[in-house]
Amino acid sequence: DAMVIQNPRYQVTQFGKPVTLSCSQTLNHNVMYWYQQKSSQAPKLLFHYYDKDFNNEADTPDNFQSRRPNTSFCFLDIRSPGLGDAAMYLCATSRGGGASSGANVLTFGAGSRLTVL
Amino acid sequence: GQNIDQPTEMTATEGAIVQINCTYQTSGFNGLFWYQQHAGEAPTFLSYNVLDGLEEKGRFSSFLSRSKGYSYLLLKELQMKDSASYLCAVWFFQKLVFGTGTRLLVSP
Repeated sequence: DAMVIQNPRYQVTQFGKPVTLSCSQTLNHNVMYWYQQKSSQAPKLLFHYYDKDFNNEADTPDNFQSRRPNTSFCFLDIRSPGLGDAAMYLCATSRGGGASSGANVLTFGAGSRLTVL
Repeated sequence: GQNIDQPTEMTATEGAIVQINCTYQTSGFNGLFWYQQHAGEAPTFLSYNVLDGLEEKGRFSSFLSRSKGYSYLLLKELQMKDSASYLCAVWFFQKLVFGTGTRLLVSP
C-alpha cells in the first residue's frame, strides 16, 4: 500500500542534543509537510517542500531545519531541542498542483513523538 | 492570522446524530477539510468541500457556506469508535491551517 512512513515513532533526547526525524512516502506526491502538534492543540505547520522548493513558516524557530534529498524522503532536524519542543511531529504529503481539492488532501504519517529530558 | 473556531468538546450517545460546527475567516479561502484524529494517532482525512453545499460519504456528511465562513460535519448512527477529535482545516494561501479540534465523546 502506498503510504507515509515516519521514523522513529518515539524519540527520547536530552536537552540540547540534536535530533533527526525522518519521513518517507511511496505516493510520489510533490509536496511534503512537517507539522508540530502539542497536547490538545492544533497541528502547526513548520515548513513544507513543493518539489525542491522549501517554504518556511515565518514563526518557525531557527532551531528547526529540514532537508528533502529526493522526492521520497524528507527530514526534520532539531538542532538543540528544548523542553518546549516536546511534541508529536507529523509528516504529511499531498499531490499539490492547484486549487483542486483532491490535489490538496493531505496524507499523514503515524507521527514521531519527541520527549526532551 | 487565520482564525478557525470549533467547540472544544461535545458528547453524544451511541446511535445518535451529532453536528460539529466550524467557522473561519473567509479571505484566502480555497477549500475546507475535515480530519479525524484518535488520541496519540495521526489525523485521517474524512471529507472536503470547495463549493457551497453538502457532501455525503456514508455516515459522514460535510456542509459548507463560503459566504458565511461556516462549515459543519454531521455524523450519523454514532458508534463508540467515533470517539475522537475532529479537526476542521482550511486551505489558505497554499497551506492547510487546522483548528484546535472538537473532542467527541460517544457514550453507550
